[in-house]
Amino acid sequence: KQEVTQIPAALSVPEGENLVLNCSFTDSAIYNLQWFRQDPGKGLTSLLLIQSSQREQTSGRLNASLDKSSGRSTLYIAASQPGDSATYLCAVSPIKAAGNKLTFGGGTRVLVKP
Amino acid sequence: DVKVTQSSRYLVKRTGEKVFLECVQDMDHENMFWYRQDPGLGLRLIYFSYDVKMKEKGDIPEGYSVSREKKERFSLILESASTNQTSMYLCASSPTPNYGYTFGSGTRLTVV
Repeated sequence: KQEVTQIPAALSVPEGENLVLNCSFTDSAIYNLQWFRQDPGKGLTSLLLIQSSQREQTSGRLNASLDKSSGRSTLYIAASQPGDSATYLCAVSPIKAAGNKLTFGGGTRVLVKP
Repeated sequence: DVKVTQSSRYLVKRTGEKVFLECVQDMDHENMFWYRQDPGLGLRLIYFSYDVKMKEKGDIPEGYSVSREKKERFSLILESASTNQTSMYLCASSPTPNYGYTFGSGTRLTVV
């Protein structure tokens, strides 16, 4: 059974520092990995989608890498801002799961201090 | 951009009521999903559907049912609401396994 882990569960950094968020998964048979952002009381917003054949994806200050063989993904947020404070979740789409079900990590809650 | 719309942001219902949570997507996606999210438990899949009138149980289907009469609409039904169903409910859609999910903005349901 696929398991997805995000460590640490919470992170606090000063404004301007680069953020590094980790995601690990146990089964490398995946279609893709997706990073989401969630603000308190809100839904999930998709940040980046990395297909299994890709090594990384970039969008603005965000860069996500994928190392399928080691079961790891890292989300980098450059020059963090207070507006980046949120919970970040990663999720994998396992090939063995019917109906394109995602398996989610528990999330990392980020606080960027001004 | 794909849009997934959940009809209510906040709902308060009484114990024993029948509750309908509606979700509509505008991009002809095959797959639709209902999750609930609780502190410390993360996101848990309730039901999903991969085609019209098709449904599959997720990890926690007890106390819930779903309906998908049209491709764009996926409804979650609480047959007799209970206080332990107080939660944030999130709907999502996806075209195929190679594409990501798009989530709605969530419905915060409180059962009193």
